[in-house]
Amino acid sequence: DGGITQSPKYLFRKEGQNVTLSCEQNLNHDAMYWYRQDPGQGLRLIYYSQIVNDFQKGDIAEGYSVSREKKESFPLTVTSAQKNPTAFYLCASSIQRQFYSGANVLTFGAGSRLTVL
Amino acid sequence: ELKVEQNPLFLSMQEGKNYTIYCNYSTTSDRLYWYRQDPGKSLESLFVLLSNGAVKQEGRLMASLDTKARLSTLHITAAVHDLSATYFCAVDIAGTASKLTFGTGTRLQVTL
Repeated sequence: DGGITQSPKYLFRKEGQNVTLSCEQNLNHDAMYWYRQDPGQGLRLIYYSQIVNDFQKGDIAEGYSVSREKKESFPLTVTSAQKNPTAFYLCASSIQRQFYSGANVLTFGAGSRLTVL
Repeated sequence: ELKVEQNPLFLSMQEGKNYTIYCNYSTTSDRLYWYRQDPGKSLESLFVLLSNGAVKQEGRLMASLDTKARLSTLHITAAVHDLSATYFCAVDIAGTASKLTFGTGTRLQVTL
């Protein structure tokens, strides 16, 4: 079955540590995204990537880093510079590619819940 | 900056009743999406509305788009408990690398 796999599902981090959240998709989608969701709030875009080896900052990129070395993979690192990292992190993908103007329907992974101890 | 607002933020309704969730956005766009999220779960796509006057229906849910008013509605007909979830609308603008902007969500609770 095609889909998006996020791991781990739950993650605990001590203050000052970097952690990396994995996101893998087998949908052959060009675009991938990372969103952060806080309780009772909408989704906020952290980073997105439309093609391999290229990515752009979203609205709340500070304290996060990403890489896109393979089309299938878009890992997110939450660095110690992120002051309030406890949240639910959602990875998504879509067929959106550069210069594509069609509808951009996102397929989401199951999410990773990060808690800072 | 594109802003998307939903109301109400929380809705408790009885089974069998009708209600409407509203989604307003601040910038001209003709691309609006509705998603559903069950507690602790991921989001799934419900509707894609791509033109003024677009209407989509699936079961007890019907979504519409008025681009002139910058308003989308999600109408619930004869609610059932299975519809309890959080509903998000999202807007993007063609040609802007498709950065979806989400509303804050409407948490719907359908009671017996």
